[in-house]
Amino acid sequence: DIQMTQSPSSLSASVGDRVTITCRASQTIGNFLNWYQQKPGKGPKLLIYGVSTLQSGVPSRFSGSGSGTDFALTINTLQPEDFATYFCQQSYITPLTFGGGTRVEI
Amino acid sequence: QVQLQESGPGLVKPSETLSLTCTVSGGSLNNYYWSWIRQTPGKGLEWIGYIYHSGSAYYNPSVKSRVIISVDTSKNQFSLKLSSVTAADTALYYCARDQQVVTAQPAFDIWGQGTTVTVSS
Repeated sequence: DIQMTQSPSSLSASVGDRVTITCRASQTIGNFLNWYQQKPGKGPKLLIYGVSTLQSGVPSRFSGSGSGTDFALTINTLQPEDFATYFCQQSYITPLTFGGGTRVEI
Repeated sequence: QVQLQESGPGLVKPSETLSLTCTVSGGSLNNYYWSWIRQTPGKGLEWIGYIYHSGSAYYNPSVKSRVIISVDTSKNQFSLKLSSVTAADTALYYCARDQQVVTAQPAFDIWGQGTTVTVSS
């Protein structure tokens, strides 16, 4: 299985900050990397697919980058509604696997 | 818009079979892959498997010997059966839609709200 390692596991930030979360795959996954946001009591929400394509309706302050094994999610100008947990996921090969999550706290 | 809703027993006895159904409303099962994913505090998010509307299914090897995912297009539903459950199968179970046929980039674009299943006698 491809292991997905996110860092940090949690971070504290303030409204207006720029935040970057990284995700590393245990082997190359091309551009088959997705990011999700999860809030308490809700299912995850797709933010970005294919490394950098913003899902419809997702604010442009979210962006994704990377290739091969190293990827990043950046949130520019953090908003109050962005405090949540973020997961990366590889869709290169089954079994599909997720990172352990990064909790963004105030 | 398309919505997914999981349903099924919240409590299952050890060694028995966990059965969940996901009802798709506002859209068709056609041209999408449909997944079951579970979440626990310890193991995080784990993909269980998915099924295409035609009935072709693919499973995570971690549960492959115990799982069956099926689809009922007449009811716009797909289902999960996980046999011989143990406490390790206690989790929040989600159904989700995979958009790969439409966008050529696999990703779970729609999720249900999740249902908690506890395995206990």
